[in-house]
Amino acid sequence: AQSVTQPDIHITVSEGASLELRCNYSYGATPYLFWYVQSPGQGLQLLLKYFSGDTLVQGIKGFEAEFKRSQSSFNLRKPSVHWSDAAEYFCAVGGSARQLTFGSGTQLTVLP
Amino acid sequence: DAGVTQSPTHLIKTRGQQVTLRCSPKSGHDTVSWYQQALGQGPQFIFQYYEEEERQRGNFPDRFSGHQFPNYSSELNVNALLLGDSALYLCASSPAAGLAGGLQYFGPGTRLTVL
Repeated sequence: AQSVTQPDIHITVSEGASLELRCNYSYGATPYLFWYVQSPGQGLQLLLKYFSGDTLVQGIKGFEAEFKRSQSSFNLRKPSVHWSDAAEYFCAVGGSARQLTFGSGTQLTVLP
Repeated sequence: DAGVTQSPTHLIKTRGQQVTLRCSPKSGHDTVSWYQQALGQGPQFIFQYYEEEERQRGNFPDRFSGHQFPNYSSELNVNALLLGDSALYLCASSPAAGLAGGLQYFGPGTRLTVL
């Protein structure tokens, strides 16, 4: 069975600081990995995805993520956080079944 | 190009009632999935519809059922509502069959409150 763990429930950073959100997954084959962002009361917006190839993937809004097979991780990073990045972030794993399994999310607070 | 749309936005029901939620997929998408997101949790997969049939199902009771129409739109029905069914229900659509991996585009969700 596939699963996703996001170890950090809540992270607080200052505006302009760098950010890293952690994601560990469990999947029996080559995973398809995603990061989504959710603002309060809203649906999910896709930030980036990894299917194959280059292990460093670029997404929207200046986010990037690195796939590390040896560590079963897919951490999300941003060099300089903006106040508008405050939201909840979800890591997800998919596969041939095309259903997504999500982590429990990391709430990001950005201090001015 | 319209994205995934869902209706209604909010819904309040009482225990024991039945509810129907609706979803229109993104243009060109033929697969629709439904997810339940309880407060403070990540979305949980309910089921997926393709070619008007339920193709996969998550760990949800039979009170949860669905339908897909020839135009690919979909409905989620929940019978005998429980307080624990209160959640944000998200619809997601996927491109045509053959694209594995689970790339899905989500709608804004329907907030269901059961009193």
